[in-house]
Amino acid sequence: QLQLQESGSGLVKPSQTLSLTCAVSGGSMTGGGYSWGWIRQPPGKGLEWLGFIYPGGSSYYNRSLKSRVSMSLDVSKNEFSLRLNSVTAADTAIYYCATVGPYQVLSLEYWGRGTLVAVSS
Amino acid sequence: DIQLTQSPSSLSASVGDRVTITCQASQDIRVYLNWYQQKPGKAPKLLIYDATNLKTGVPSRFSGSRSGTDFTFTISSLQPEDIATYYCQQYDNVPSITFGQGTRLEIK
Repeated sequence: QLQLQESGSGLVKPSQTLSLTCAVSGGSMTGGGYSWGWIRQPPGKGLEWLGFIYPGGSSYYNRSLKSRVSMSLDVSKNEFSLRLNSVTAADTAIYYCATVGPYQVLSLEYWGRGTLVAVSS
Repeated sequence: DIQLTQSPSSLSASVGDRVTITCQASQDIRVYLNWYQQKPGKAPKLLIYDATNLKTGVPSRFSGSRSGTDFTFTISSLQPEDIATYYCQQYDNVPSITFGQGTRLEIK
């Protein structure tokens, strides 16, 4: 059974870059047919899809984030990452990593526990 | 972008009741809709994928159905541990993947 764990800075200043990493254990990032995604949830609000990255490295992002978001993965380390540039208070949220799949069924089967990121000076 | 309109936004029901939540898509998304349960302080949990398929290990009191662009999530007999917020999610239009607004379920 796959396990995911987010890590990164819990406090980011406005206009700076949010960086998070998701460590994957219990299986290979290239087996099982999964892609790797990020979702966030502002405190007390609903879920927002940020994007996902295929094992081969191609990625899809939420268009509402425009060019601020990027994702990468390092299969040798069994981890993938999220970067969100030029953050504002509106980016304050719990950030989750999750598996996307398997294959063409884009469901979110395995989740990390989430990490709260606050944007504040 | 495809919009999902989830209703009701909240509901209160008694143990043993049949509970229904709906999710209406703004256009045809075929069967590409999933349902999640999120308990307070926890990550969401996948319950149903592709509109009607129950994820392995999920109790059979949970079910999903589809009629055109209208999707229904049902709990056949509400249990106390079902207190949670439920979300639908569509993926017909990658990369425009979206969630419904959520339905908060409480026990009377």
